[in-house]
Amino acid sequence: GNSVTQMEGPVTLSEEAFLTINCTYTATGYPSLFWYVQYPGEGLQLLLKATKADDKGSNKGFEATYRKETTSFHLEKGSVQVSDSAVYFCALSGPNAGGTSYGKLTFGQGTILTVHP
Amino acid sequence: EPEVTQTPSHQVTQMGQEVILRCVPISNHLYFYWYRQILGQKVEFLVSFYNNEISEKSEIFDDQFSVERPDGSNFTLKIRSTKLEDSAMYFCASRLTGLSDTQYFGPGTRLTVL
Repeated sequence: GNSVTQMEGPVTLSEEAFLTINCTYTATGYPSLFWYVQYPGEGLQLLLKATKADDKGSNKGFEATYRKETTSFHLEKGSVQVSDSAVYFCALSGPNAGGTSYGKLTFGQGTILTVHP
Repeated sequence: EPEVTQTPSHQVTQMGQEVILRCVPISNHLYFYWYRQILGQKVEFLVSFYNNEISEKSEIFDDQFSVERPDGSNFTLKIRSTKLEDSAMYFCASRLTGLSDTQYFGPGTRLTVL
């Protein structure tokens, strides 16, 4: 079945450091890929998405490129801020083993990011 | 901006009791979902709902669970007889139409089973 693997966390950085959170996936067909963010005490918010190979999603300085050849969707940001401290989830939406899809999301385990001033 | 709302924010119940978690999806959305997150673990899919019926469910979603859209606005998750292992954060989500459309999540209901 579909699965998502994120890099082990937590990640601790100083403000203005470069961020990479690795995400790889296994899926049937051509899934859509997402990064969601969860700030303390809040629900999941979509950060960015990409729906086909070589697409780059971007938002709030974060970027991720859909790489079909390496089945990856790594999240990057050039200069993190304290306000970026949160849990980041990589997710995919794609057909199930039967070839149908109703849009369910399969999540990675989440990566806790802490940014210090 | 429209948002998904969930009530209550925290529910404490005794093992064996029934609980109903409530969600109000975004008004023009057509697809509805429940997910759960046990503390420290992944967010897991439970069930999807479209056109007044379940379209897909996970192996977690056994006979103890049910969903309903009793009117045009609410979407509920019922757990008939709660177990200790049902303690988790439960998220509701909704989506407009296309498979690549964004799923919008509610803030979650923390369920604690004692």
